[in-house]
Amino acid sequence: GAVVSQHPSRVICKSGTSVKIECRSLDFQATTMFWYRQFPKQSLMLMATSNEGSKATYEQGVEKDKFLINHASLTLSTLTVTSAHPEDSSFYICSARLDESSYNEQFFGPGTRLTVL
Amino acid sequence: QKEVEQDPGPLSVPEGAIVSLNCTYSNSAFQYFMWYRQYSRKGPELLMYTYSSGNKEDGRFTAQVDKSSKYISLFIRDSQPSDSATYLCAMSAAYTGRRALTFGSGTRLQVQP
Repeated sequence: GAVVSQHPSRVICKSGTSVKIECRSLDFQATTMFWYRQFPKQSLMLMATSNEGSKATYEQGVEKDKFLINHASLTLSTLTVTSAHPEDSSFYICSARLDESSYNEQFFGPGTRLTVL
Repeated sequence: QKEVEQDPGPLSVPEGAIVSLNCTYSNSAFQYFMWYRQYSRKGPELLMYTYSSGNKEDGRFTAQVDKSSKYISLFIRDSQPSDSATYLCAMSAAYTGRRALTFGSGTRLQVQP
């Protein structure tokens, strides 16, 4: 149980295009999902908290108009990188918080590697 | 000063050794503590979680939390080459508060066969 999927696992795009990444909790409901990015040999940096049915909460320094988040259902959150540039190339990972958990357990997807040419 | 400090390693041990991984933190509001294992180019996998102080054991893994010292540990007994990965500690404040996890930088572990 507690499986989170991400799609696509890898994407290469041209500068200026938009890329959508999906995060799904496959066997549990997740009112709250989180989006992180990770640079090589560095830890995960929280970008935003995605709440089902409401606006996402962005961390300081993260442009909400560039990283659009939609959490339309209890099992799906999407991150759209708009007008991507080479500096947006990174490993993007989502996590889903188990709604019924009292320990704030969060389960991670396998990540999406974005390369912007 | 980072909220969570973790030695990045790499930590290299022979197969069968006991491994000790540690994190310190500064935010006394942290109540939930987790350890994740991340293989290269993969998402983190939840290994252990604990609440407040105390020990928790699961197979070869033992997690310890000492809130008075703001110090948490993960012990791996009888380490195996398959344990070679980056280990991330993570923590968060109380249930009704901020739910996002704050991560350590991760410790890269290499278990030599």
